[in-house]
Amino acid sequence: DQQVKQNSPSLSVQEGRISILNCDYTNSMFDYFLWYKKYPAEGPTFLISISSIKDKNEDGRFTVFLNKSAKHLSLHIVPSQPGDSAVYFCAASEGYGGSQGNLIFGKGTKLSVKP
Amino acid sequence: DTAVSQTPKYLVTQMGNDKSIKCEQNLGHDTMYWYKQDSKKFLKIMFSYNNKELIINETVPNRFSPKSPDKAHLNLHINSLELGDSAVYFCASSQDVTQREQFFGPGTRLTVL
Repeated sequence: DQQVKQNSPSLSVQEGRISILNCDYTNSMFDYFLWYKKYPAEGPTFLISISSIKDKNEDGRFTVFLNKSAKHLSLHIVPSQPGDSAVYFCAASEGYGGSQGNLIFGKGTKLSVKP
Repeated sequence: DTAVSQTPKYLVTQMGNDKSIKCEQNLGHDTMYWYKQDSKKFLKIMFSYNNKELIINETVPNRFSPKSPDKAHLNLHINSLELGDSAVYFCASSQDVTQREQFFGPGTRLTVL
């Protein structure tokens, strides 16, 4: 039973345009969400996160939006660059009793940014 | 200057063998993790240690045994390897148990023949 779902296995975007990656979750106890970026043959790299007390967090070209009522979050990359081509993982965790570190990952979305 | 390192990067072995994967972090973090990424690409947590103590132990066969000699190291020992153990194993660390941002190693691709 997937608690974190990334329903688009792949996304192709033109350089300079916006990339929007989506993530849905089912567990209402999740209170913290993260996005990781992964290149082939490397480990995931932390990109940006958001707490459930916020609905938006921005870091340079990357913005994460959280819609708690819809149990949905999205990562916006503007403008997209070819170096952004990677697999993006959404992850979530619950904030109690030592479970904070138990990150539940989605299956990932492969982003291709074309020059 | 690698923050989280794993050895070996690739491991090919026969069914029934026992193998170990080593992980070291030089970030001064208190908490370390092992994840498994299976053929369906799901990343799932296996274990978590905080200051050498086990804090998360997901449903993992007892053939898998983590060992933490100090808080900078978390090794994974696997006994009696099975075909289904073939996967990429990632080590990660975080500042402490309350910090959600985890830093991952490059992964170890284990192939069991």
